[in-house]
Amino acid sequence: DVKVTQSSRYLVKRTGEKVFLECVQDMDHENMFWYRQDPGLGLRLIYFSYDVKMKEKGDIPEGYSVSREKKERFSLILESASTNQTSMYLCASTQENTRDSYGYTFGSGTRLTVV
Amino acid sequence: LAKTTQPISMDSYEGQEVNITCSHNNIATNDYITWYQQFPSQGPRFIIQGYKTKVTNEVASLFIPADRKSSTLSLPRVSLSDTAVYYCLVGDLVNYGQNFVFGPGTRLSVLP
Repeated sequence: DVKVTQSSRYLVKRTGEKVFLECVQDMDHENMFWYRQDPGLGLRLIYFSYDVKMKEKGDIPEGYSVSREKKERFSLILESASTNQTSMYLCASTQENTRDSYGYTFGSGTRLTVV
Repeated sequence: LAKTTQPISMDSYEGQEVNITCSHNNIATNDYITWYQQFPSQGPRFIIQGYKTKVTNEVASLFIPADRKSSTLSLPRVSLSDTAVYYCLVGDLVNYGQNFVFGPGTRLSVLP
């Protein structure tokens, strides 16, 4: 069964800490994404990557950065965590751009609380 | 980007067929329609995808009229476990990151 694995299910961090959220996929997908989900706001795209070492800003990149050193791993970095970054973070991947693809495969999410 | 509109919430009873309609008036020629399901504390899960007419899989059916300005997700004989949020997305599959936007979705509640 194909999988997107997020390293932590729940995380509590202090304001100002540098936070790393890790995501690994085992499907050899080219594209990987980071979303955050907040009540009433749906899923909002933070960053995505269509190849190793490539990254593109999504709709809300401020306060975040990403790293994709290997095809299977996409990391989201909160440079200095703030309370307004408390949220559910979802990683997703898709295969190479093709109309035969079956959409996003999402991880189970990381619920981050910044105190 | 093709904007989508779908009902915020729906209620149904176990065993009934549920139809959730999504409007996408400015759908482009190369756009596909994809539906996802999300349970609490989980990531969305792909349900079905189509371009035109009707698509059916083991989970659902997707009806797309000729003008493609709307689509209807049909869930046959729902059960309590179908209670979830359902998202309709429209976009060109060749440019995933640039094209797909998740709206608020439709919260389906299945009652006993």
